[in-house]
Amino acid sequence: DAGITQSPRHKVTETGTPVTLRCHQTENHRYMYWYRQDPGHGLRLIHYSYGVKDTDKGEVSDGYSVSRSKTEDFLLTLESATSSQTSVYFCAISESPGKPNQPQHFGDGTRLSIL
Amino acid sequence: GDSVTQMEGPVTLSEEAFLTINCTYTATGYPSLFWYVQYPGEGLQLLLKATKADDKGSNKGFEATYRKETTSFHLEKGSVQVSDSAVYFCALSDPTTDSWGKLQFGAGTQVVVTP
Repeated sequence: DAGITQSPRHKVTETGTPVTLRCHQTENHRYMYWYRQDPGHGLRLIHYSYGVKDTDKGEVSDGYSVSRSKTEDFLLTLESATSSQTSVYFCAISESPGKPNQPQHFGDGTRLSIL
Repeated sequence: GDSVTQMEGPVTLSEEAFLTINCTYTATGYPSLFWYVQYPGEGLQLLLKATKADDKGSNKGFEATYRKETTSFHLEKGSVQVSDSAVYFCALSDPTTDSWGKLQFGAGTQVVVTP
């Protein structure tokens, strides 16, 4: 299994509080991704990174920011959490995304509940 | 933009039954197609993939054929087991239009296999 650790695995917080989720990889892969999973929507891309300090927005980036100061860590921050951000968040990594033999590998997810 | 549509679930089957999960896609370029599986409480695992028309991906008794003429990538298994109970996601990435390996997912199909 790809070495991907997401933390925390579960979190309950209140509306308006800041929340940071961490994705840590030991594979030295260049590309990292944050997705959210919601019923009826599958997984949707929030942000992605193609190198240290290189990030860009995905399909559902509003209300989220990311940072990548080291190859192994990709942080997702909810500046002021809202109930609509209650979801399961997945991190994924890829060595060379343009090559199908090297697909994305996923972490086990973080279940975030915002009350 | 690119999109993936897969059949609604849940799909409930008896052990040893034949499984088909339909997946169709729209894409502007020449996508690679994937099936991912998610077991309860876990992240997504790549089940199989196909990178060009008429390619057949296979793994663990599952098969899917990339049909460009019908823009489909249906997943099949001849004899399911209780351990195949999971959520299955069809996904695509299009390296001809996106250099970052972003995946577009279907909504997911839950499969429940009963003894």
